[in-house]
Amino acid sequence: EVQLVESGGGLVQPGGSLRLSCAASGFTFNNYWMTWVRQAPGKGLEWVANIKKDGSETFYVDSVQGRFTISRDNAENSLYLHMNTLRVDDTAVYYCARDRILDSWGPGTLVTVTS
Amino acid sequence: SYEVTQPPSVSVSPGQTATITCSGDTLGEKYVCWYQQKPGQSPVLVIYRDTKRPSGIPERFSGSNSGNTATLTISGAQAMDEADYYCQAWGSGLWVFGGGTKLTVL
Repeated sequence: EVQLVESGGGLVQPGGSLRLSCAASGFTFNNYWMTWVRQAPGKGLEWVANIKKDGSETFYVDSVQGRFTISRDNAENSLYLHMNTLRVDDTAVYYCARDRILDSWGPGTLVTVTS
Repeated sequence: SYEVTQPPSVSVSPGQTATITCSGDTLGEKYVCWYQQKPGQSPVLVIYRDTKRPSGIPERFSGSNSGNTATLTISGAQAMDEADYYCQAWGSGLWVFGGGTKLTVL
């Protein structure tokens, strides 16, 4: 059974940093692209970033380009999102999802940016 | 930047057919996926690559994509189908979600 479990969310001040992790199991991790998607409270889904199977290429939504970094450790079956210079409008539940078609999702982790 | 547009809400009577549209410039040239999200839950993929249905998704869910419009059709809608539905377009380094459509079955 495919399982994705995010962790690392929490409360942070504007301008701060946070690292999210996603532990994957139940499938061959290095055979899949991986994706981060976020959802602000009461709002719709927003694609944030994704990364190729071997980590050789990454893609970002314009609003996080230069502030967020997606990475992966295929030996540890883990996906990461390093978030710097956080803003109030980054407040959201952050989901990791498998592949570009997002065929499996984790339960999400809440990031709250507030002073 | 590329955008796709969905109607905010759609209503359907139980057993009838629900149609949710997703519009974008030359959307038919991109892949479209559809996701169902119920309150308090993570999204679930219901259609990928325009028309394909993942295992475990009921046959009443179908998709199409041509020109500037992609469509999710739920034939014989049931109360359990009441949820938010999001289209997503991707291709050539682009991934974008529509704003979501709240489907009410009543």
